Amino acid sequence: NAGVTQTPKFQVLKTGQSMTLQCAQDMNHEYMSWYRQDPGMGLRLIHYSVGAGITDQGEVPNGYNVSRSTTEDFPLRLLSAAPSQTSVYFCASSWGQGVPEAFFGQGTRLTVV
Amino acid sequence: GESVGLHLPTLSVQEGDNSIINCAYSNSASDYFIWYKQESGKGPQFIIDIRSNMDKRQGQRVTVLLNKTVKHLSLQIAATQPGDSAVYFCAETSGNQFYFGTGTSLTVIP
Repeated sequence: NAGVTQTPKFQVLKTGQSMTLQCAQDMNHEYMSWYRQDPGMGLRLIHYSVGAGITDQGEVPNGYNVSRSTTEDFPLRLLSAAPSQTSVYFCASSWGQGVPEAFFGQGTRLTVV
Repeated sequence: GESVGLHLPTLSVQEGDNSIINCAYSNSASDYFIWYKQESGKGPQFIIDIRSNMDKRQGQRVTVLLNKTVKHLSLQIAATQPGDSAVYFCAETSGNQFYFGTGTSLTVIP
């Protein structure tokens, strides 16, 4: 059972480049979310989805786009990378909205130079 | 906005002792309070949660206490083991959004 899979694990981008962080889960979870983790800041919610076709903004959505065309996949897009987006990104999923137990991926370490 | 914090950024305990990790929160309307463990290089892992209408909940070697009067949450780990060394985050949720604290790094001394 793979759980939540994120790719890539590491990425270096130049300022202004775009890229997509992939997230897939095989647990048939309805709720999926993206967080960024910065030193001393804990995890901050970027975007979340309560089901296929439904997405919403979290605490720090600026500079990021998401879509949810299937239950399994929830990609995070950076349209024009900035050094401030250097961070570790985590994708998580859970059975539904309001469910406290979330399953996290291994993370993507992104550096924007 | 929401505010979830932790009292100490680091904590060292002897193997076999009990550990207590504390957290303060600001949103009295949260439905659940949650503890996660994050080992180096890995994603956070769910430990235990407590519903807002409860005061105490026990799991395997862990106990979570919720004091709504002073908006305080604690995680107690019994007989701490080397495998418990990690960063521990408290979090709260009401609806679709989760808010995490900044984490306490627990080091277990053999």
